[in-house]
Amino acid sequence: EVQLVESGGGLVQPGRSLRLSCAASGFTFDDYAMHWVRQAPGKGLEWVSGISWNRGSRGYADSVKGRFTISRDNAKNSLYLQMNGLRAEDTAFYYCAKDASGTPHGVMDVWGKGTTVTVSS
Amino acid sequence: DIQMTQSPSSLSASVGDRVTITCQASQDISNCLNWYQQKPGKAPKLLIYDASNLETGVPSRFSGSGSGTDFTFTISSLQPEDIATYYCQQYDNSPPTFGGGTTVEIK
Repeated sequence: EVQLVESGGGLVQPGRSLRLSCAASGFTFDDYAMHWVRQAPGKGLEWVSGISWNRGSRGYADSVKGRFTISRDNAKNSLYLQMNGLRAEDTAFYYCAKDASGTPHGVMDVWGKGTTVTVSS
Repeated sequence: DIQMTQSPSSLSASVGDRVTITCQASQDISNCLNWYQQKPGKAPKLLIYDASNLETGVPSRFSGSGSGTDFTFTISSLQPEDIATYYCQQYDNSPPTFGGGTTVEIK
């Protein structure tokens, strides 16, 4: 069974850091690009970042550029999102999603259940 | 960034009704358009990719059409399990962008 399981969310103060992880199973992880997508409480979906299969291509939403870093460890079948300088507006449910191809085009065909990040003092 | 405008933002229909949602892109995106379903408290699920291709395992009552800037998503016969919010999303240009969502309820 294809599965993505996010972890690492929690309550954090503004300005602090948090690292999200996504463990993949049931497919050949290093064949596919991966994404992070978030959803603020009661709001719609917002793409955050994507990374190609070989880490050669990475992209970020303007809202997180310079603060968030996406990475992956293909040997561990894992995707990460390092979030620095967190702001209240980063409060959201964060989903890990698999792309249907090796480049992060944006056809997200498998999603994890998500992890909650709350930024508050 | 490409803006995706979905309408309506919500709708109420009876079981068995035909339901149509539209999505308009701020510029030509060819057929680089996906539709997702998100049930309450759940993760999004890909239903339609490349504007009109049904993802494996998705019931055939769901369909999509369109190209360029104007797209349509249709549920041919609404079922109780279709209660959800539906999002369009373009991937022609980075960053991928989503429409605001359409919440479908049963009348």
